[in-house]
Amino acid sequence: EIVLTQSPGTVSLSPGERATLSCRASQSVSYRYLAWYQQKPGQAPRLLIYDASSRASGIPDRFRGSGSGTDFTLTITGLEPEDFAVYFCQQYGSSPRTFGQGTKVEIK
Amino acid sequence: QVQLVQSGAEVKKPGSSVKVSCKASGASFSTAAISWVRQAPGQGLEWLGRFIPIFNTPDNAQKFQDRVTITADEGTSTAYMELSGLRSDDSALYFCATGYYDGTGYYYDYFESWGQGTLVTVSS
Repeated sequence: EIVLTQSPGTVSLSPGERATLSCRASQSVSYRYLAWYQQKPGQAPRLLIYDASSRASGIPDRFRGSGSGTDFTLTITGLEPEDFAVYFCQQYGSSPRTFGQGTKVEIK
Repeated sequence: QVQLVQSGAEVKKPGSSVKVSCKASGASFSTAAISWVRQAPGQGLEWLGRFIPIFNTPDNAQKFQDRVTITADEGTSTAYMELSGLRSDDSALYFCATGYYDGTGYYYDYFESWGQGTLVTVSS
């Protein structure tokens, strides 16, 4: 099973700043089959990015995914108030599908 | 995009079973790939398995192989997840979610549509 490790666990930023979230896999993720989700309290996750760098429908372009192999990054440029949430990465290149433990982006 | 509506909260005794439903609308159900994901309180996300009605074959995470049964009823466009041998650490919010089907037979398990979640509490 591929283990995904996200860092940092929590990051404190101000609106307008850039957030850089890391997701490292224990083995190479096939075909860059990696997704990113945003989750707010009491809600289901929301798909942001799939195939490592493709934005899902309706996702603003301040969200950018990059990476390949074992190292992936989600960058949020110009944090908006609604972006403060928990972010998860997930790989779907092998079974079982696995998720990272999450990174919380909190207001500084 | 598929809309998914799940059944209501459940409280179960240790050792018993729970069956959660997920009704789909807005897209072809037979070709949908429906996964189940759970989230313990304050914790991360964990994939239990998936079912594709047109193939009628489940694909479960090995961790849950002996305890989880995922099925679907095409007539009512409803998927089911049954978890047996419940323990206190099975207490979690259980989501159904659909992966992407490209129309040519290939499925990709990134999840654009999610149910609202069903809270399962296991307590004596």
